[in-house]
Amino acid sequence: AQSVTQLGSHVSVSEGALVLLRCNYSSSVPPYLFWYVQYPNQGLQLLLKYTSAATLVKGINGFEAEFKKSETSFHLTKPSAHMSDAAEYFCAVRQGAAGNKLTFGGGTRVLVKP
Amino acid sequence: DSGVTQTPKHLITATGQRVTLRCSPRSGDLSVYWYQQSLDQGLQFLIQYYNGEERAKGNILERFSAQQFPDLHSELNLSSLELGDSALYFCASSVTGGPGETQYFGPGTRLLVL
Repeated sequence: AQSVTQLGSHVSVSEGALVLLRCNYSSSVPPYLFWYVQYPNQGLQLLLKYTSAATLVKGINGFEAEFKKSETSFHLTKPSAHMSDAAEYFCAVRQGAAGNKLTFGGGTRVLVKP
Repeated sequence: DSGVTQTPKHLITATGQRVTLRCSPRSGDLSVYWYQQSLDQGLQFLIQYYNGEERAKGNILERFSAQQFPDLHSELNLSSLELGDSALYFCASSVTGGPGETQYFGPGTRLLVL
């Protein structure tokens, strides 16, 4: 069975500081990994995804994530936080062949302080 | 705007009632997914359809059912509603349902059961 753990349900960062959101997964087969962002009262928007090509994945809005198989991690980073980054972020895993569902982590809410 | 539309945006109903949530996928997408987002359960996959056929099932209650019509829109039917069914219900779509494909999410339907 696949699962996703996001460390920290809330993260507070200062504007201009590094944003680091942690995601660890478990999967019995090579996974597909996704990061989604949810702004208040909106649906989920894809930030980036890993589909077994490059291990460093660049996404929208300056975010990137690195797939580390040995650590079963897919942490999300952004070098400099902006006020508009305040939102909830979800890491998700999807196993190929074994199923088509996305399994989401519990989410991390990011607060950006001026 | 993801291109996925959901109606209604908000729904308030009473326990024991039945409601229908509607989803129109992005143009050209054949696969539709339903997810439930609640405070205690987080984001959970309910069910997936591909070109009118059920493809995968998740944590969907027997009181819930879904279908995808020939024009590819989908409906999620929730019956014998309970207070605990209050949640945000998302529909997502992708081209064929392949594991590496991006799922595009609609804005959701917020259901409140009183």
